[in-house]
Amino acid sequence: AQTVTQSQPEMSVQEAETVTLSCTYDTSESNYYLFWYKQPPSRQMILVIRQEAYKQQNATENRFSVNFQKAAKSFSLKISDSQLGDTAMYFCACGAGSYQLTFGKGTKLSVIP
Amino acid sequence: DTGVSQDPRHKITKRGQNVTFRCDPISEHNRLYWYRQTLGQGPEFLTYFQNEAQLEKSRLLSDRFSAERPKGSFSTLEIQRTEQGDSAMYLCASSSELALYNEQFFGPGTRLTVL
Repeated sequence: AQTVTQSQPEMSVQEAETVTLSCTYDTSESNYYLFWYKQPPSRQMILVIRQEAYKQQNATENRFSVNFQKAAKSFSLKISDSQLGDTAMYFCACGAGSYQLTFGKGTKLSVIP
Repeated sequence: DTGVSQDPRHKITKRGQNVTFRCDPISEHNRLYWYRQTLGQGPEFLTYFQNEAQLEKSRLLSDRFSAERPKGSFSTLEIQRTEQGDSAMYLCASSSELALYNEQFFGPGTRLTVL
């Protein structure tokens, strides 16, 4: 079984600035994946970035990057050069052998013009 | 549009009625998932199909809930004798077992309101 904790219910950032969203997780699996999903208001959830637990190198996707600390079971998301379109709920998720994803409660990010 | 689709997008029903939702996954995906999302929470896993076989069911899936995927393509989720606590967004996702990391693609969801 997995648990995922997002300790920041809401955050805000000025346009063009950088923001970091926190996530901690716990799993008994040795082979697992971590994900950040974005859910814009009234729109469907889309994958932002993923990280394989066996890879030490942090994943990056354009303006999005992660800080994966395996020993600390921490998986934070950094958004650089924030844009108005980044306003959304962000969910951290963990997936392992059972294939289901376990999600955190989410962080509501507001990008302020 | 080749993404995951769900129908209906919204459903309002009275307590005690039965409701059925449909999910059409991405055509080449053989894995299909149902999740439930209540206000202020992340999605919670309900059940998972690989092809037509239902391989996992959450404890959240009471005996009033049943899901099917008869031909390994679309899936239906039925809730019998709905209760107010069933009000939530029901999300469907699909993935391919050939994907290295089991990325799940989500549909827009069906929002259920039980009066």
